[in-house]
Amino acid sequence: GAVVSQHPSRVICKSGTSVKIECRSLDFQATTMFWYRQFPKKSLMLMATSNEGSKATYEQGVEKDKFLINHASLTLSTLTVTSAHPEDSSFYICSAREGTGIGSEAFFGQGTRLTVV
Amino acid sequence: AQKITQTQPGMFVQEKEAVTLDCTYDTSDPSYGLFWYKQPSSGEMIFLIYQGSYDQQNATEGRYSLNFQKARKSANLVISASQLGDSAMYFCARSGSARQLTFGSGTQLTVLP
Repeated sequence: GAVVSQHPSRVICKSGTSVKIECRSLDFQATTMFWYRQFPKKSLMLMATSNEGSKATYEQGVEKDKFLINHASLTLSTLTVTSAHPEDSSFYICSAREGTGIGSEAFFGQGTRLTVV
Repeated sequence: AQKITQTQPGMFVQEKEAVTLDCTYDTSDPSYGLFWYKQPSSGEMIFLIYQGSYDQQNATEGRYSLNFQKARKSANLVISASQLGDSAMYFCARSGSARQLTFGSGTQLTVLP
């Protein structure tokens, strides 16, 4: 099956620094990727939809200047957490769907556990 | 908001027994899909099973089956012959006119030896 690779899997950074998370579709082209955030034992909350070659669409309440998304190619989307603070510590996971139908499977990256100290 | 509801935050089942995880949904889309994912403690999301809203038969994938009751807007996951490795968080999700999946709050399943 299709594979989505996310890197890094874990990162610890100092408060005030920025962290970039990469999401790659390895064997299919993804015009759209999705970024989710997950708190411990909670659901996946959609942060933004990343569109190749155009601006990302952010969900209500998500700061676009804090969570910068770039989707420069059909196989790579990046999420940059800018000026990270401890409250940004969370599990971030990306997803891409192969195909456009309602039944097209969503493939997920391995997730990134971000800890801001 | 078109919600996905999983009313069981935690479930316990004895090894080799069957267990049903509940999922109900709201939607105004004429056609939609329902997914179940397993998330072990490592965090990866593992696809289990899919049901399309117009599928005539309930989906099955090995030990997983989906009890789809369209009129009740429910899509319960049934795991037969539970194994210790089934202990994980389970999420129900829906697709529709929007391409992203909307997830329920999840059910933490613990399989007891």
